[in-house]
Amino acid sequence: DAGITQSPRHKVTETGTPVTLRCHQTENHRYMYWYRQDPGHGLRLIHYSYGVKDTDKGEVSDGYSVSRSKTEDFLLTLESATSSQTSVYFCAISGNLPGNTIYFGEGSWLTVV
Amino acid sequence: GQQVMQIPQYQHVQEGEDFTTYCNSSTTLSNIQWYKQRPGGHPVFLIQLVKSGEVKKQKRLTFQFGEAKKNSSLHITATQTTDVGTYFCAGYTGTASKLTFGTGTRLQVTL
Repeated sequence: DAGITQSPRHKVTETGTPVTLRCHQTENHRYMYWYRQDPGHGLRLIHYSYGVKDTDKGEVSDGYSVSRSKTEDFLLTLESATSSQTSVYFCAISGNLPGNTIYFGEGSWLTVV
Repeated sequence: GQQVMQIPQYQHVQEGEDFTTYCNSSTTLSNIQWYKQRPGGHPVFLIQLVKSGEVKKQKRLTFQFGEAKKNSSLHITATQTTDVGTYFCAGYTGTASKLTFGTGTRLQVTL
């Protein structure tokens, strides 16, 4: 498996609180992604990064922000968590060229109550 | 935006039966990738197809990329219980850096 670590792996939080999920990679890959997975919706892209301080929105970016200050770390922040953001969040990485294979982390289970 | 649909959403087979999932994109894809996710796990890369009409095999799995590069299929011959999981197709368009995933097909195999 690719060297991807997500933290925390499980979290329960209250509505309205901020939450930050961290993704750390040891592969020195250029691209990093945050996906969420919900029943019936498959994997949906939230944000992605193509380099340090270079990020762009995916298809479900509302309510989320990201930051990438170092190649190895990509943070996903829920500014004010809502129950609709209860989901499994996957970080993923891919190599230095568009079109490369994506490698996923093990996921972070987030419950907003 | 680009949409990638898969059918069926769910299939239940008995061990030894064949299984096929179909993937259809609303736009032409530069390549298509297939991933497998075991229950409780994360998606794992299986294969990538690039050329129009390409066919690749991995043991009991056969992958096809359509001539128009807008559809693909995964066929499993003689399923086993180890094939249980959700299969996703995913595609890039042009030079896009974003991989769009299909909705997935969940396969259940019983003895």
